Amino acid sequence: VQLVESGGGLVQPGKSLKLSCSASGFTFSDYGMHWIRQGPGKGLDWVAFISSSSGTVYADAVKGRFTISRDNAKNTLYLQLNSLKSEDTAIYYCARKGWDCWGQGVMVTVSS
Amino acid sequence: DIQMTQSPSSMSASLGDRVTITCQASQDIGNNLIWFQQKPGKSPRPMIYYTTNLANGVPSRFSGSRSGSDYSLTISSLESEDMADYHCLQYKQYPFTFGSGTKLEIK
Repeated sequence: VQLVESGGGLVQPGKSLKLSCSASGFTFSDYGMHWIRQGPGKGLDWVAFISSSSGTVYADAVKGRFTISRDNAKNTLYLQLNSLKSEDTAIYYCARKGWDCWGQGVMVTVSS
Repeated sequence: DIQMTQSPSSMSASLGDRVTITCQASQDIGNNLIWFQQKPGKSPRPMIYYTTNLANGVPSRFSGSRSGSDYSLTISSLESEDMADYHCLQYKQYPFTFGSGTKLEIK
């Protein structure tokens, strides 16, 4: 069972970025998936959830700016980050519903 | 939103000490709480599910308990490998919320 994030990097405020989380070792389509982030030296913040049937929920801080989605044929979870702000700078983790499997995290830095 | 107030924010303890970390929920969350351990540069690892249930592979010196709206993680006899950050998470209702974390250091 493995989750591998990709797509992070340095981006200017107001710009966009799309993160991916590639799943293997389990039936991805059976599981809801979360995105969680951790700012530098800070605690964990839950960001968004997508159910196995693609229902979505978001944290207030990202609602309207971030979009969680999934492609079951590609065993991949996504997070589209728009209108980025400096406070979105963080390590972004994907995690399986049940919290027993997390990716290694991907760094997003929002700075001019 | 449900607020999770975690304490202490940091602590230092000696090998063999009994250590307790607490999260207080601002609303009823039942037993819908998980404790995570996070070592530097690593992803969080679940330690305790549903307030009291030990996750697979977690040493028996770890335990979880609840008193009203106060949820505790206890390490009965601290070992060097327990040096880490610890986080609680409520999953009673969205948005899910984490405590602010506890940094546990070894004296």
